[in-house]
Amino acid sequence: DVVMTQSPLSLPVTLGQPASISCRSSQSLVSSDGSTYLNWLQQRPGQSPRRLIYKISNRESGVPDRFSGSGSGSDFTLKISRVEAEDVGLYYCVQGTHWPHTFGGGTKVEIK
Amino acid sequence: EVQLVESGGGLVKPGGSLRLSCAASGFIFGNAWMSWVRQDPGKGLEWVGRIANKTYGGTTDYAAPVRGRFTISRDDSKSTLYLQMNSLKTEDTAVYYCTTAGLGLWGRGTLVTVSS
Repeated sequence: DVVMTQSPLSLPVTLGQPASISCRSSQSLVSSDGSTYLNWLQQRPGQSPRRLIYKISNRESGVPDRFSGSGSGSDFTLKISRVEAEDVGLYYCVQGTHWPHTFGGGTKVEIK
Repeated sequence: EVQLVESGGGLVKPGGSLRLSCAASGFIFGNAWMSWVRQDPGKGLEWVGRIANKTYGGTTDYAAPVRGRFTISRDDSKSTLYLQMNSLKTEDTAVYYCTTAGLGLWGRGTLVTVSS
């Protein structure tokens, strides 16, 4: 199975400051169709996960533009340009290129 | 409103069975590939399995820990997804989420507890 490694595990951030989460896969996530199926999920406390970003860098409708995704191959990053209080929660990367689809271990974003 | 609503969770003894349901609304369920994902607080998120739409034969794929014990099915006439869980183990304890296969839509989840 493809192993998804996220860092850091915990990310204390000052309100208004940027945050960055890294995700690395144990093999390339470029699919045979040329797409890279790397998603980012956000899970706020007490809520279900929701998809923020799909195929590396595409924001879901309604997701603020302070969230951005980048990367290629097996190295990906989620950035929050200015952290707000509502951004507190767990963030997961997940690959959908290889079966079984696999999740990163999660990064907990909290306010300092 | 576009939504997924799971039901059927509960407490079951090891070796027992449980069937989860997921009622979909607000989109054309029959066109969607669907998945079950579970979350154990100690282990994070884990993909359980997926089912294709009828165009792709309704084929299923399962993660290794549940293969041979869990079965995913669908009733497009009822816009409902199912997860039949047999031979349950304590390590199957988790919140089970119904999702579209691309993870764009999630239900609220239903808790399954396997304990004697």
